[in-house]
Order: sequence, then C-alpha cells, then structure tokens
Amino acid sequence: ELKVEQNPLFLSMQEGKNYTIYCNYSTTSDRLYWYRQDPGKSLESLFVLLSNGAVKQEGRLMASLDTKARLSTLHITAAVHDLSATYFCAVASGTYKYIFGTGTRLKVLA
Amino acid sequence: DAGVIQSPRHEVTEMGQEVTLRCKPISGHDYLFWYRQTMMRGLELLIYFNNNVPIDDSGMPEDRFSAKMPNASFSTLKIQPSEPRDSAVYFCASSFTAGRSYEQYFGPGTRLTVT
Repeated sequence: ELKVEQNPLFLSMQEGKNYTIYCNYSTTSDRLYWYRQDPGKSLESLFVLLSNGAVKQEGRLMASLDTKARLSTLHITAAVHDLSATYFCAVASGTYKYIFGTGTRLKVLA
Repeated sequence: DAGVIQSPRHEVTEMGQEVTLRCKPISGHDYLFWYRQTMMRGLELLIYFNNNVPIDDSGMPEDRFSAKMPNASFSTLKIQPSEPRDSAVYFCASSFTAGRSYEQYFGPGTRLTVT
C-alpha cells in the first residue's frame, strides 16, 4: 500500500529566506503532483512531475522528482508572505488514483 | 471554462438527515473523483468514476455513503443517515485521459456540518 509522508508538517519562516519541503513515498510511482490550498479554499495545482529527474519552476517555487529515491522536493526561494498556505504532494497510485501527503502548513512572517 | 462546480457550498444538517452533495465536472473530462478532507485524516479518496461507471469505491467509509454518476456532467454523493463524524469538506475533482499527466482539477468543495 502506497504511503506518502511530508515534512515538515508546519513551517514558519521569515520573508526572504529559503526552505525545502520534502515528500517521501513508499512504493514505486512515476508521477507526482504538488498542490496549494489556502484556508477555506480548494486545491490549486502547482506542478505536475511525470518522470525521474523532472524539475519544474514557477516564480519562487521549484519542484523536483527523484523516482529512485522516492522523493520529491518543493523548494521555496526568498519567501514572501503571499506564499503562506498549505502545500500537498500527491503521488500516483496506479494510473488514476492519487494518494495525498499530510500537507505542510507554511507561514511566512514579515 | 467554469471549472468543477459543486453545490451546495455549505450544508448544515441534523444527525439522521439525508444529505446530497452535487458535482459537475469539467466538460470533456472522463474521470470524476470524490474526496473528503478532515483535520484528523487529511484528504481521502472516497470513490472515482470513469465514463460514469464507478471504478473504485474502496474508500467509501460505510454503507451510509453512496455515489452516482447518471451522466457525464453530473454526480452525487449521498449520506443517509448522516452522523456528526461525517462533518468534513467534500471535494469533487475531474481529469481526462487524453493528456498523459492525468492531472486532477478540484472543485471549491462542500463544507458539511452535521449537528
């Protein structure tokens, strides 16, 4: 059974700092997704990673996938307050199902 | 495109009552997913459909939960009878197989409170 772990669960960081969120999963998968959720809102797709070594960047966020290590990272560069949200990774289980991680609640302090 | 549409956005009901949640997927999408989100259990997949046919309902918690998809543009999730522990945010998502990403697009969710 596929299990997905994220760490840290909570992250409080100063504006302008860099940090990385980790997503580990327990069985083989070649697709991984990152979503953002603001309080009381839906999930917004950030990145779709479809192969080993995939790297995607959007603004201050960069995501990567290492399928051999069963690890994805979401790197935040020079954080700003607007990045405060909960970030989820979701790992493909079979073709169509996702298993979601626990989420990382990020708070960027001014 | 209007995105995935869910109704109602908020539902408050008393224990024992029937609750029906509704979802309209993105036009052209052939997969539809129902999720439940709680603080304790996070995001859980309840059931998903392909071309209106239920494929995997192993996440449906009890017989009190049922889901249907009578056509490509409409799905319901019904809870009968409802219990306080059913209080959660229920999300509907859709995706299409023509693109190899199998990316899921989420609706705004229905916040259910059972008192």
